[in-house]
Amino acid sequence: DAMVIQNPRYQVTQFGKPVTLSCSQTLNHNVMYWYQQKSSQAPKLLFHYYDKDFNNEADTPDNFQSRRPNTSFCFLDIRSPGLGDAAMYLCATSGRLAVGETQYFGPGTRLLVL
Amino acid sequence: AQSVTQPDIHITVSEGASLELRCNYSYGATPYLFWYVQSPGQGLQLLLKYFSGDTLVQGIKGFEAEFKRSQSSFNLRKPSVHWSDAAEYFCAGGMDSNYQLIWGAGTKLIIKP
Repeated sequence: DAMVIQNPRYQVTQFGKPVTLSCSQTLNHNVMYWYQQKSSQAPKLLFHYYDKDFNNEADTPDNFQSRRPNTSFCFLDIRSPGLGDAAMYLCATSGRLAVGETQYFGPGTRLLVL
Repeated sequence: AQSVTQPDIHITVSEGASLELRCNYSYGATPYLFWYVQSPGQGLQLLLKYFSGDTLVQGIKGFEAEFKRSQSSFNLRKPSVHWSDAAEYFCAGGMDSNYQLIWGAGTKLIIKP
């Protein structure tokens, strides 16, 4: 019954070692999002895709990249993780919010950088 | 500037007592508004949303929220909390964007036995 799936749930990487987080959806939504969430803070939008159109937030570091090979899958690549990138990474999907649709979130991937 | 404010960082409530979590917004027009709940180490789960129509919105887990345009508020309520309601609650809103939500800082709900 899972709608937004994230793998892995926990990821440990070393400082500077590239890491990829994955997200898949069964909702067939046009929009997929990646958020970063640090402890006791609101989620911070990194970027989103509308279909294949990529939209980067102005303050998202260049260290973060994303790929969306098809409607169902989206990947977050962190090219050279620093200690400050340790966080929960949330994937979400939606249709068009302005017509009453909803963002649905996955369970998140907790990233630890050693 | 558009904003969503949750004035309370923490709220402590006794089990069985009623609950109200505050959310205020600042938009030029009627926003669409959401309440999400997040248990520790989990993703965000939608509790309820307001888009248009009836200003009293019913959600899951016995929660409701009322949109009050005159007070620019969308407060979340529950008549009787359970220990399992202990979590972080986020209010979020948008106006004319199909993709962007503006998030409140969250309110952590603590339940006293």
